[in-house]
Amino acid sequence: DSGVTQTPKHLITATGQRVTLRCSPRSGDLSVYWYQQSLDQGLQFLIQYYNGEERAKGNILERFSAQQFPDLHSELNLSSLELGDSALYFCASSPSDRVYEKLFFGSGTQLSVL
Amino acid sequence: AQSVTQPDIHITVSEGASLELRCNYSYGATPYLFWYVQSPGQGLQLLLKYFSGDTLVQGIKGFEAEFKRSQSSFNLRKPSVHWSDAAEYFCAVGAADDYKLSFGAGTTVTVRA
Repeated sequence: DSGVTQTPKHLITATGQRVTLRCSPRSGDLSVYWYQQSLDQGLQFLIQYYNGEERAKGNILERFSAQQFPDLHSELNLSSLELGDSALYFCASSPSDRVYEKLFFGSGTQLSVL
Repeated sequence: AQSVTQPDIHITVSEGASLELRCNYSYGATPYLFWYVQSPGQGLQLLLKYFSGDTLVQGIKGFEAEFKRSQSSFNLRKPSVHWSDAAEYFCAVGAADDYKLSFGAGTTVTVRA
């Protein structure tokens, strides 16, 4: 158990809908990362937050947004969903915002857009 | 920007045999290099990492990796695989002036009895 909790584990929705994925980092970790894993794109970095502030942005679509709350949990909001958004979304946490830190991954949220 | 290539999509190895997974990176300076493993239905777990110093790095579960600057490689090895090593393995690279890791496409390892 990595200590990172992601909910829900599975999500099935329809095109055009909006969903929210939630992540609780390991106790004491200040950084939260979101990754998208799909068969055709592999593991893609979406966005990183550190202590409530956005630190780095990757290949995140404009339809997607995220935030980190004062209690350090994070939410990834996906809107106007398309079939191609179906993927496994991972959250990871680490103690600092430095790239050399070990990342602790959650088990992911499997999103299916029908 | 840094990038990483894992040339092998899928490797099948017999239990007890040795395993080597290839990873090549692209980055101008000394990169931060990682190997993560993903078991079915699980998140990724760090096996080992390299920043500087001894180019042969020991990790968990009996894995080791060697950094070769001249070949821009960071290959992962295990002398004798166990059935529980069946998983997907990801190489990742990071830069000191960046906040994110870039992951390779992954190599799926199948272990046959």
